[in-house]
Order: sequence, then C-alpha cells, then structure tokens
Amino acid sequence: GQQLNQSPQSMFIQEGEDVSMNCTSSSIFNTWLWYKQDPGEGPVLLIALYKAGELTSNGRLTAQFGITRKDSFLNISASIPSDVGIYFCAGRALSAGGTSYGKLTFGQGTILTVHP
Amino acid sequence: GAVVSQHPSRVICKSGTSVKIECRSLDFQATTMFWYRQFPKQSLMLMATSNEGSKATYEQGVEKDKFLINHASLTLSTLTVTSAHPEDSSFYICSARTSGMIPQYFGPGTRLTVL
Repeated sequence: GQQLNQSPQSMFIQEGEDVSMNCTSSSIFNTWLWYKQDPGEGPVLLIALYKAGELTSNGRLTAQFGITRKDSFLNISASIPSDVGIYFCAGRALSAGGTSYGKLTFGQGTILTVHP
Repeated sequence: GAVVSQHPSRVICKSGTSVKIECRSLDFQATTMFWYRQFPKQSLMLMATSNEGSKATYEQGVEKDKFLINHASLTLSTLTVTSAHPEDSSFYICSARTSGMIPQYFGPGTRLTVL
C-alpha cells in the first residue's frame, strides 16, 4: 500500500523562527492535506492542495503540492507558542478503479515545540 | 462550517462491557465517515470506512465483530466497542466527508479507558 514519510519527526525551535516540514510518498497522490493536532483533540485541517505545483497560504502557513505529485511541504513563518502541536500530512492516492471512499494515508507526524 | 462532534469525550468502563461512541456532522451531510484509532505520539490508524446506509468496510486486522459501526443517517455514525478489554484503551477519532468533498473533517476524539 501507499507509504508516507514525514520529516522531521520533531522540532524544537525558538519563538519567531520559521519552520519547514515535508512528506514524501512512494506513489502519486492527487490530493495533499495538512492537519494540526493539539493534545487530546482531533486533527484540524490547515491547508488542502489539489494540483501539482499548487502553492497555498493560510495566514503564516504555506504549503505546496510537489510537481512530481509525490511530495508536499508545509512552512510556518514567525512561529508563536500556540503553533505547538503535532502536524500531519495526509494524501489521497490515485485509485486504480472503483471507489476508494476517499481514504487518506497519513504521515507519522511532526511534533513541534516552540520555546518562548 | 464542517463541524464534527463526538460523544462522549471520555469514557471509563470495566472489562467485558460494551461502549458506544457517537460521531455527528453538525452542519453538513456526511456521506462517508471514518473511524480511526490513535496511540500516544503515533499517527492515526484507520479502522473502518462507512457510507450512509451501507455496511462498513474494515481495514485489515480490525475485527468487525468487536468494533461495530453503524452509519444509519447522513449525520450520525456510531462505533461500539464490544466486550472491551484493557488493550482496547485508546483515543478513537471519527472523521466525515460529504460527496464531492475531499478533505475529511475530524471530531474531537474519545478517550476510552478499559479497567
């Protein structure tokens, strides 16, 4: 099945620094999504990407759908303490036929810690 | 928009009892709902996918007789953990999407502890 490699696994940064994380897949995806999960909560959708090369921003967050369709990155600029959490990439692969019911494959997550 | 709720947020039960978790889409029709399980500091593990009015499709290794899923309406899906054991203790999260919508929107999760 599809595999997603997300890196880095964890990051410890100072407030104000920029952050970058990425995901690569073993197969072509037609959708990339980035979620943030706070402790004890469900993931919250940050950015959705639908086309190769697409670059989308949401406030201080920017994500891109790689042109090979096998990778995506998420950047956070000028980090603040509330950016702390676990960030997950998720992708939906092209299905060979029939319906996949929209199943997503998730990366392992990047744990972000921001020191004030 | 795209709000999903889960109830209860926490449940503690005795071994051998059954527990029902509800997942509701509050402002959209959820044609498809997904149930995930998450262990501490790990990613989300898909357990099953359910379409409204159909039987759920379970992922390999997930016991369908133990984790009963019902998706009887476009706004409600339930997960029942039958004869729960301590190893079933986990964080269970549902998500929902509607036809034509790709992203899944997640509920806040349910922390299940089986004593």
